[in-house]
Amino acid sequence: DSGVTQTPKHLITATGQRVTLRCSPRSGDLSVYWYQQSLDQGLQFLIQYYNGEERAKGNILERFSAQQFPDLHSELNLSSLELGDSALYFCASSVFSGGRGTEAFFGQGTRLTVV
Amino acid sequence: GENVEQHPSTLSVQEGDSAVIKCTYSDSASNYFPWYKQELGKGSQLIIDIRSNVGEKKDQRIAVTLNKTAKHFSLHITETQPEDSAVYFCAARASNSGYALNFGKGTSLLVTP
Repeated sequence: DSGVTQTPKHLITATGQRVTLRCSPRSGDLSVYWYQQSLDQGLQFLIQYYNGEERAKGNILERFSAQQFPDLHSELNLSSLELGDSALYFCASSVFSGGRGTEAFFGQGTRLTVV
Repeated sequence: GENVEQHPSTLSVQEGDSAVIKCTYSDSASNYFPWYKQELGKGSQLIIDIRSNVGEKKDQRIAVTLNKTAKHFSLHITETQPEDSAVYFCAARASNSGYALNFGKGTSLLVTP
């Protein structure tokens, strides 16, 4: 158990809908990273938050957004869903944003299926 | 941005043999290279990592080597066991992307008894 908790584990929704994925980082970790894993693209970095503020953006679509709350949990919001958004979404956390202590620990993921 | 290439995509070895997975990266400023193991239905587990000031690191049956000049790093698993069967991902830390990790596409390792 990595200590990173993601909910829900599975999610099935229709195209055009909006969903929210939740991540609770390891106790004491300030950074949260969101990744999308699809069969053909592998693990793609979406966005990072550090202590409540957006720190870095990767290949995140404009239809997607995220935030990190004062208690450090994070939510990834996916809207106007398309079939191609079906993937595993992973959250990872680490203590610091840079330098030493950047080892990232992953949650078990949320499997999103858009039908 | 950083581009990480990983080979092979699939690897099958017999129990007791060694397995080697290789990755290359493009950003010469990358300085942190972790390896993750992903088992079916589970999240990715950090198994070993190496920083750019080290050429080799070992942890029991697992070792990682780094060649900064050639910009490649490798995972070596010796005396493989069936429970080593999983998907392995290499990653490099991007120097200009908030220290997020850029991953290879994974290697599916199968260890047959």
